[in-house]
Order: sequence, then structure tokens, then C-alpha cells
Amino acid sequence: RKEVEQDPGPFNVPEGATVAFNCTYSNSASQSFFWYRQDCRKEPKLLMSVYSSGNEDGRFTAQLNRASQYISLLIRDSKLSDSATYLCAVNPYNQGGKLIFGQGTELSVKP
Amino acid sequence: GAGVSQTPSNKVTEKGKYVELRCDPISGHTALYWYRQSLGQGPEFLIYFQGTGAADDSGLPNDRFFAVRPEGSVSTLKIQRTERGDSAVYLCASSLRRGGRNNEQFFGPGTRLTVL
Repeated sequence: RKEVEQDPGPFNVPEGATVAFNCTYSNSASQSFFWYRQDCRKEPKLLMSVYSSGNEDGRFTAQLNRASQYISLLIRDSKLSDSATYLCAVNPYNQGGKLIFGQGTELSVKP
Repeated sequence: GAGVSQTPSNKVTEKGKYVELRCDPISGHTALYWYRQSLGQGPEFLIYFQGTGAADDSGLPNDRFFAVRPEGSVSTLKIQRTERGDSAVYLCASSLRRGGRNNEQFFGPGTRLTVL
């Protein structure tokens, strides 16, 4: 089993839709969690850190469920410009700062 | 301010050659990370530095890979006797410090390495 798993998609949604991605992690002691966005042939860009209490940034909401060991990303009112690959990343406990990434979930927002 | 920069942006080399990839982190960031990314996969951890020392090199695939950060700023990833399987995008990231909430890592544009 991979340490961090994501459904690779693609998720094809119409503009204006709400879409949610989950990401599961195997190390129950993991301590910090992130969502990155990656456009084709570009570097990953930090979208959000995921806090225990959950956090929201405009149309984007991230949640952490420690009991079930997953994090989620919700995108409301999808825009064409949201089309990208969304990577989740986990910092395992007591392993310094390294991040373990999932495979990424591809999102395509259609007009 | 300036982000993470990496050079070269593209490198094409022949099997068996030696390559060096450079990373210049965000000013003031003490932690520096190297990852590599193959098509359709997420970035895979290679090594990270806290200051000048390699704090964790557990992700380096074998002894052909080596990285240095002699003055605690710029880092160079060195690959000896390159193999076709080394072809990937090599990403560098930096963070203010390692661990905790200040572990938000910011990536450079990457070096696309192609080994023929």
C-alpha cells in the first residue's frame, strides 16, 4: 500500500460545479498536510495547508480527518482555470521536513 | 520577492555522463529539499538539507546521486554515470525551517533531465 493515495481521475466537471477530492495516508502519526496545484509542465504550487480544524480560502475548503486518515479538498463554483492536477502531501511524524506526495488527481473543468 | 530558482531548465545528456543541477532557494529559507517527478506521478523525495548538512538522504536511489549545500544556501545535485532511468523532472523546494507549520515548501520550476 502506498503511503499517500489519491484517485488519479480525471474528474471532468462543468463550470460552476462543486467537486471534492480525497487523499488517504497510512502513517497515523503524520503531522502536517498540504494541497498543491500543478499545471501541465509546471512546478507544484502550494494551494493550502490543512489544519486540524479545517480551513477555507475563498472557493477552496480543506479538511483533515485523523480518525479515518484522510484529507479532503472541496472546490465550489468550479472555474475553467481550476483545471489542473491536485497533489496532496503529507509530512510524516519524526521524519524532518520531507513530504510524501500522492499521485495527484487530475481535474478538468469544461464550459 | 524572488522564488526558488533552478538551472538549467532543461538538460539533455548521454548515458554514462555526469550532470550537475543547481538550486537557489528563497532567501532566508534554511531548509532545502530535492524531489524528482516522473510523468503521471507525484514528486518523490530525494534529500533535504537543514543549513549545510544533509539531514535526510534516504530518498537518494543509489550512490550515483549526491547533493551538497556548502554555504547553506545554493545546493547542487550531482548525478554520476547517468542512466536512462534517471530521466525525470528534478524539483527543488525550500521552506523557512523544517517541520511544523513552517514546513510549507515552495518549489522551483524544475530541471527536466533527459538521458539518451
